[in-house]
Amino acid sequence: GAVVSQHPSWVICKSGTSVKIECRSLDFQATTMFWYRQFPKQSLMLMATSNEGSKATYEQGVEKDKFLINHASLTLSTLTVTSAHPEDSSFYICSARVQGLDGYTFGSGTRLTVV
Amino acid sequence: DAKTTQPNSMESNEEEPVHLPCNHSTISGTDYIHWYRQLPSQGPEYVIHGLTSNVNNRMASLAIAEDRKSSTLILHRATLRDAAVYYCILSRTGNQFYFGTGTSLTVIP
Repeated sequence: GAVVSQHPSWVICKSGTSVKIECRSLDFQATTMFWYRQFPKQSLMLMATSNEGSKATYEQGVEKDKFLINHASLTLSTLTVTSAHPEDSSFYICSARVQGLDGYTFGSGTRLTVV
Repeated sequence: DAKTTQPNSMESNEEEPVHLPCNHSTISGTDYIHWYRQLPSQGPEYVIHGLTSNVNNRMASLAIAEDRKSSTLILHRATLRDAAVYYCILSRTGNQFYFGTGTSLTVIP
């Protein structure tokens, strides 16, 4: 089946630094990818929709200058958390729509800890 | 997209059937009903989806009410590996998913 590979699975960074998370569609082309954030014991919150070759669309309340999304190819989308702070510590998950599935496949998630 | 309502938690004994309910009274005619589940520290996993008719696959069955205002995910024989948070999501084709709170399923050995 369609697989989305997300890397890294976990990362620890110092406050004030930037972290990049990659999401790749391995056996299909993903014109649209989505980025979610999930805090402990909470549900997934949609952050932004990433469209190949164009600017991402951010959900209300999500800072686009802090969470930079790039979708330069049909198989790769990246999320960069800039100037990370401890409150950005969370579980970040990407997903992509699979043609014919009427649904989405999700990456395995990235656990970000900012110290 | 329309909202869904699910119980916060449910329990089931191992090897017994589990019926996970979902209410979606404001569903529109073009909304698909999706079910995903999430194991701890993993991304959500597709379970099943449908539009109007009941659906079966190797993982589960989806029973959709005639008026489509509710649906039930049926796990025929719960195993310990089925312990997860189950999300019922409504979405039109191509639209993004907005997750509700889901149902945390505990399977008792």
